[in-house]
Amino acid sequence: QSALTQPRSVSGSPGQSVTISCTGTSSDVGGYNYVSWYQQHPGKAPKLMIYDVSKRPSGVPDRFSGSKSGNTASLTISGLQAEDEADYYCCSYAGSYISVVFGGGTKLTVL
Amino acid sequence: QVHLVQSGAEVKKPGASVKVSCKASGYTFTSYYIHWVRQAPGQGLEWMGIINSGGGSTSYAQKFQGRVTMTRDTSTSTVYMELSSLRSEDTAVYYCARTYGWLIDAFDIWGQGTMVTVSS
Repeated sequence: QSALTQPRSVSGSPGQSVTISCTGTSSDVGGYNYVSWYQQHPGKAPKLMIYDVSKRPSGVPDRFSGSKSGNTASLTISGLQAEDEADYYCCSYAGSYISVVFGGGTKLTVL
Repeated sequence: QVHLVQSGAEVKKPGASVKVSCKASGYTFTSYYIHWVRQAPGQGLEWMGIINSGGGSTSYAQKFQGRVTMTRDTSTSTVYMELSSLRSEDTAVYYCARTYGWLIDAFDIWGQGTMVTVSS
């Protein structure tokens, strides 16, 4: 069982928006603004999409956005495109003892 | 261009050890930290630990304490992850990934992954 809880799957049609949630506790997501999101296509390494809750690395489309409220972080993908179909993982700093925790991953299907 | 290139796939018997390498290029090796993250078949990502590529200090996830050792060779810009007492549940793809900060930063560059299969 993963430390952070994500829905197993979400789906949307091209052009629509989807939001993926990532629920933790006050010891990880809620306690720090160090939540990141990763996109992983089958057989590939993960790719950083969002860091520090809502910041986008250069090269990541602005269709991807992140936010946080309390113990839940969210990744929103607007204007869905076929190439967005992938697995998405959230990750949070969890203090100096536990260190780093991931969510279980969400499979995004573009219908 | 920044790259992390990992060693090739390994097949090990239960009880054995495996050592995976991660060679960095395109940046100042000692200015960053390297983490190891693994992914069992069809499963999610699991953080294993971190090494300071400069000073060599390490921190391991509690689950792997006593079984994992991370080292680095600054002369070749290479980080190593050794996992001992292998069992079938250790079958996974092992990734190295870079951060700028000790634990709080995101993983901005990933290696291509190394498949480790544990089977008798």
